[in-house]
Amino acid sequence: AQTVTQSQPEMSVQEAETVTLSCTYDTSESDYYLFWYKQPPSRQMILVIRQEAYKQQNATENRFSVNFQKAAKSFSLKISDSQLGDAAMYFCAYRSDGTNAGKSTFGDGTTLTVKP
Amino acid sequence: AAGVIQSPRHLIKEKRETATLKCYPIPRHDTVYWYQQGPGQDPQFLISFYEKMQSDKGSIPDRFSAQQFSDYHSELNMSSLELGDSALYFCASSSSGVHYEQYFGPGTRLTVT
Repeated sequence: AQTVTQSQPEMSVQEAETVTLSCTYDTSESDYYLFWYKQPPSRQMILVIRQEAYKQQNATENRFSVNFQKAAKSFSLKISDSQLGDAAMYFCAYRSDGTNAGKSTFGDGTTLTVKP
Repeated sequence: AAGVIQSPRHLIKEKRETATLKCYPIPRHDTVYWYQQGPGQDPQFLISFYEKMQSDKGSIPDRFSAQQFSDYHSELNMSSLELGDSALYFCASSSSGVHYEQYFGPGTRLTVT
């Protein structure tokens, strides 16, 4: 079974600065997807960024980028120019690829606080 | 664009009562997933359906059952509710042909008193 670990229960960043959230995972599969989700106080699960394991290039979405290290099974999220609206719980998630692509496995989450 | 719809958004039940949560996937999505997120916890996978058949099962209590109907909507039936069932229940949907996307609904907040 796959496991996802987020070792930082809480992180804090000053507005306009950069912060990196860590995520490691364990899997024996070679094809999979990794995601970062944002969950604000409304508790809506919002997709921030996605990485396909077969792609060596790190995904980027505006101020959000990832550092995907497949051999190390590491998938960190970098938020640049942090904004007050970035404050939320962030979940790292793993999803298998292939014909039986299915459920997502989540990490425990990291609560991000943005200080003005 | 159409999103995943869940109803009701909020539900209050008493212990030992039953509850039914509904999920309407994005049009043309054939797979539905149910997750349970307790307070301060990460979402935990309960069960999934592909083309109206159960495709995977997670930590779903025997008191819970679910099904997917011919129009692809899904219902999660919860009986003999316990205080510990109070949680946010997410439904997500995806298309079997597009493995990298899974869209979450807004969730149903169930409170058991």
